[in-house]
Amino acid sequence: ETGVTQSPTHLIKTRGQQVTLRCSSQSGHNTVSWYQQALGQGPQFIFQYYREEENGRGNFPPRFSGLQFPNYSSELNVNALELDDSALYLCASSLGTGTRGYGYTFGSGTRLTVV
Amino acid sequence: QQQVKQSPQSLIVQKGGISIINCAYENTAFDYFPWYQQFPGKGPALLIAIRPDVSEKKEGRFTISFNKSAKQFSLHIMDSQPGDSATYFCAASLSGSARQLTFGSGTQLTVLP
Repeated sequence: ETGVTQSPTHLIKTRGQQVTLRCSSQSGHNTVSWYQQALGQGPQFIFQYYREEENGRGNFPPRFSGLQFPNYSSELNVNALELDDSALYLCASSLGTGTRGYGYTFGSGTRLTVV
Repeated sequence: QQQVKQSPQSLIVQKGGISIINCAYENTAFDYFPWYQQFPGKGPALLIAIRPDVSEKKEGRFTISFNKSAKQFSLHIMDSQPGDSATYFCAASLSGSARQLTFGSGTQLTVLP
């Protein structure tokens, strides 16, 4: 059973550019949630995807968008990058939309640096 | 009302000592309180969790104490080991909208050999 896989592991982008981050969910999981973790801070919920639709969103602007594919993998897209978007982006997969228990599994993240 | 406040920001403990990390929340609707452990370069991993209908939960060397009236909960690591050195996050979620975790700001624990 594979865990949650995120790619790329590191990325450097220029302010104003667009970026796409990818997440492959753990085998058997049908829900993907994305979090942003700024340096020295706790993760903040961006949004969740379930059945290929957005199923809850945190306090992030519309330039943060996502997709979920039929195989339950997901993408996070960020347009018009700002310096404050520099962070570790974490993907968590689960079976169902809840956050409870060991079934809510995080990947190792993508470190995005905006210069 | 969604905030979870965590302290201390950093903690240094001798091997064999007790590590204590505290969290406070505001939203009384929270009903699930997990603690996550994060090593450098890795994502958070669930360590232990508690619901507000119990005051304490123990798993091995890790114990959560929960004070519903004070809206506080804490993680105790007994017999702390150098391998416990990591960043610890408390979190909370709502049953009615259990789609997201609200995290504290983290505590960087260093256990000296």
